[in-house]
Amino acid sequence: GEDVEQSLFLSVREGDSSVINCTYTDSSSTYLYWYKQEPGAGLQLLTYIFSNMDMKQDQRLTVLLNKKDKHLSLRIADTQTGDSAIYFCAEALSGNTPLVFGKGTRLSVIA
Amino acid sequence: SQTIHQWPATLVQPVGSPLSLECTVEGTSNPNLYWYRQAAGRGLQLLFYSVGIGQISSEVPQNLSASRPQDRQFILSSKKLLLSDSGFYLCAWGQGNTEAFFGQGTRLTVV
Repeated sequence: GEDVEQSLFLSVREGDSSVINCTYTDSSSTYLYWYKQEPGAGLQLLTYIFSNMDMKQDQRLTVLLNKKDKHLSLRIADTQTGDSAIYFCAEALSGNTPLVFGKGTRLSVIA
Repeated sequence: SQTIHQWPATLVQPVGSPLSLECTVEGTSNPNLYWYRQAAGRGLQLLFYSVGIGQISSEVPQNLSASRPQDRQFILSSKKLLLSDSGFYLCAWGQGNTEAFFGQGTRLTVV
């Protein structure tokens, strides 16, 4: 199929780690992205990973890529209340075509 | 640096009235431009995208149309709004099939 799949909800306690998972569709995707959307705002690009990488770390964010399973994850260490938002994964297919987005995972951080 | 402007931020329109949402990009040339709709704070639905002036691809049949009168201007229109057109509309730009950068969105309520 052509859907990028994500679980809809995730709830974690403040200070714990959050792991948001995504399954994408095209093994030839070149880039994979994570976006964050806070209430009433547009999407903010958080991080991305090239398809020839397995892992990318950027401060509290760690992206893991399993190309064999077409599985992407975003780990947020020491989750804070300000991390509460909807997180979207997206894949870049070949050619001059729009990114394909998942439906988003709503992360709720409990104080 | 590149910036994207989208306005208005909120809009309340009666059923049957026309619509015009405008999006402009600064600091880049020949961008790909996108209009998305997001219902109930959830997934993104790609409505239109454009790879150049006068080139519009429509992803779903609907009551809306898009135009690109200038290289960095993208307009979403309707002649007669329906209740079902209510939602959060997001404009975005990108280059090729790489990451997209989003505006802050327009909350449209049709009453």
